[in-house]
Amino acid sequence: GAGVSQSPSNKVTEKGKDVELRCDPISGHTALYWYRQSLGQGLEFLIYFQGNSAPDKSGLPSDRFSAERTGGSVSTLTIQRTQQEDSAVYLCASSANFRVTGNTIYFGEGSWLTVV
Amino acid sequence: GENVEQHPSTLSVQEGDSAVIKCTYSDSASNYFPWYKQELGKRPQLIIDIRSNVGEKKDQRIAVTLNKTAKHFSLHITETQPEDSAVYFCAASSNTGANNLFFGTGTRLTVIP
Repeated sequence: GAGVSQSPSNKVTEKGKDVELRCDPISGHTALYWYRQSLGQGLEFLIYFQGNSAPDKSGLPSDRFSAERTGGSVSTLTIQRTQQEDSAVYLCASSANFRVTGNTIYFGEGSWLTVV
Repeated sequence: GENVEQHPSTLSVQEGDSAVIKCTYSDSASNYFPWYKQELGKRPQLIIDIRSNVGEKKDQRIAVTLNKTAKHFSLHITETQPEDSAVYFCAASSNTGANNLFFGTGTRLTVIP
């Protein structure tokens, strides 16, 4: 596709349920990022995939959060046993070449998660 | 890891005036500094960036300055217009290690017509 695609765009889930958020990066982009943005807040780094190297998971807030990237393309962010504080917009982004600093990072529209 | 601080958190200016947003970073290895604009309900989009080998870059009404010694960089918007109203994020990245991008906490700019 032309841009970073995320699904679902909106998700309402009950507390305690698991959710999966999907990101389809721009074709050919080797770097993929997940960020979380709570209402009116900044961009909280979650995880960063860089080619075939081990991902940087240092931003994941708890062991309920995990992410994988299959085949170097699509990524799934999984939140287990969701809590109300998980409610936020989850933004995925990709860039062309993780080996080169200064590649523009393109964001998706985000997945709005509401835990009730 | 890198720590990016951004000020002010909110900024209101009259249409036509200038707006300045400032950021500092902690990792002296950082060498790439983009600025993103996020309109309400939209995705962040890159508006300008600067690399550490230059001190200033301009694009029409937008300019960014970088002081590597002091480890701070600033966004300057001149002749502000209502459509400039948005949240602006600075970020920093280095090519040592993971090439990750660390964002500031954002500045909500309101341009008053």
